[in-house]
Amino acid sequence: DTEVTQTPKHLVMGMTNKKSLKCEQHMGHRAMYWYKQKAKKPPELMFVYSYEKLSINESVPSRFSPECPNSSLLNLHLHALQPEDSALYLCASSQVGDRDRADEKLFFGSGTQLSVL
Amino acid sequence: GDSVTQMEGPVTLSEEAFLTINCTYTATGYPSLFWYVQYPGEGLQLLLKATKADDKGSNKGFEATYRKETTSFHLEKGSVQVSDSAVYFCALSSDMRFGAGTRLTVKP
Repeated sequence: DTEVTQTPKHLVMGMTNKKSLKCEQHMGHRAMYWYKQKAKKPPELMFVYSYEKLSINESVPSRFSPECPNSSLLNLHLHALQPEDSALYLCASSQVGDRDRADEKLFFGSGTQLSVL
Repeated sequence: GDSVTQMEGPVTLSEEAFLTINCTYTATGYPSLFWYVQYPGEGLQLLLKATKADDKGSNKGFEATYRKETTSFHLEKGSVQVSDSAVYFCALSSDMRFGAGTRLTVKP
């Protein structure tokens, strides 16, 4: 199994809603990532979990709250989002998540297309 | 800090044309270099990689050579197909970030 599975595929929410994005992998990877991708732009790194601990937070607003319940699951809790937060949210995983590892490659899910009204 | 600079395009080619997408990097150490591809409606997937200077990565007819002297990792393909239409991203291992992306459209 070399898949990263993200749910839901599409999400529409209001600015007062609370919702969660989910990501799952069963490749034994110990690093998981959240990226945000606006249309016609590259993915922007948001968070990195390594061995279930948050190792990188790219100064993301607190209305985005990541959670890593175990080594296979990654959640992104959303609350009080703004319309400009509408984007494709991508989850990825890698073996270790160590920037010093020369051969680390990322495995991506297909993303959740989020619309904030 | 480490970074990549990628020619943004878009690039439009006819089928069987030669493709080059430029990528240059700035790095203090010796990172690995990657090309990822994103097809419409999907996440990114690794196309090829090179882990040290003079290494050549290759996959599906695409090639890129890690050139330390010119700090480049240009993507090439000798004969593109309509199915190669996608967005291509250059990336550094040390950064987990991506270049701006180059949208390739191949017309029959």
